[in-house]
Amino acid sequence: DAGITQSPRHKVTETGTPVTLRCHQTENHRYMYWYRQDPGHGLRLIHYSYGVKDTDKGEVSDGYSVSRSKTEDFLLTLESATSSQTSVYFCAISKDTEAFFGQGTRLTVV
Amino acid sequence: SQQGEEDPQALSIQEGENATMNCSYKTSINNLQWYRQNSGRGLVHLILIRSNEREKHSGRLRVTLDTSKKSSSLLITASRAADTASYFCATVPTGNTPLVFGKGTRLSVIA
Repeated sequence: DAGITQSPRHKVTETGTPVTLRCHQTENHRYMYWYRQDPGHGLRLIHYSYGVKDTDKGEVSDGYSVSRSKTEDFLLTLESATSSQTSVYFCAISKDTEAFFGQGTRLTVV
Repeated sequence: SQQGEEDPQALSIQEGENATMNCSYKTSINNLQWYRQNSGRGLVHLILIRSNEREKHSGRLRVTLDTSKKSSSLLITASRAADTASYFCATVPTGNTPLVFGKGTRLSVIA
């Protein structure tokens, strides 16, 4: 899996609680991405990073924040989880062209 | 909004048949990529075709790109049951913005 680890793999949380998902890479790739995957929507970009402390918003960034303090780690935070954020979250990395994906985190907000 | 749209949304074929999936996109691109996703797993890169290429092959995969029509097709020849998966096209718009994915085609290959 190209040296990408997502944690946790599964999480159930209550509405209104903060949640942080972690993506860790061992490839030293510059670019890191967070996508969410929902039935009928495919993959939608939440946030991405093109270097340490350099991040930008994607298509569905509302309600999410990210941080990248080290090349190898990209954190996705839901400040106050809502039921609409129930989804499968994928981290991806890339050097320049093709992307490599983690195994996903299934998040359920109840 | 999403860049790519795959067609059909779902495809069911017999083992040994060819499977063709299409992708249309909206803006100018640097390259177009196809990915595969097995149920419950992350996406895996299959093949990349650059904007100045018209056709590319990799094993049983054949990809075409028509930039004038903003469309691409993925052909899987001699399908196997193990090809059952969802297939996504993804584009890299000019300006090197991130990959933008379509909604995918679910392929079922029946043994």
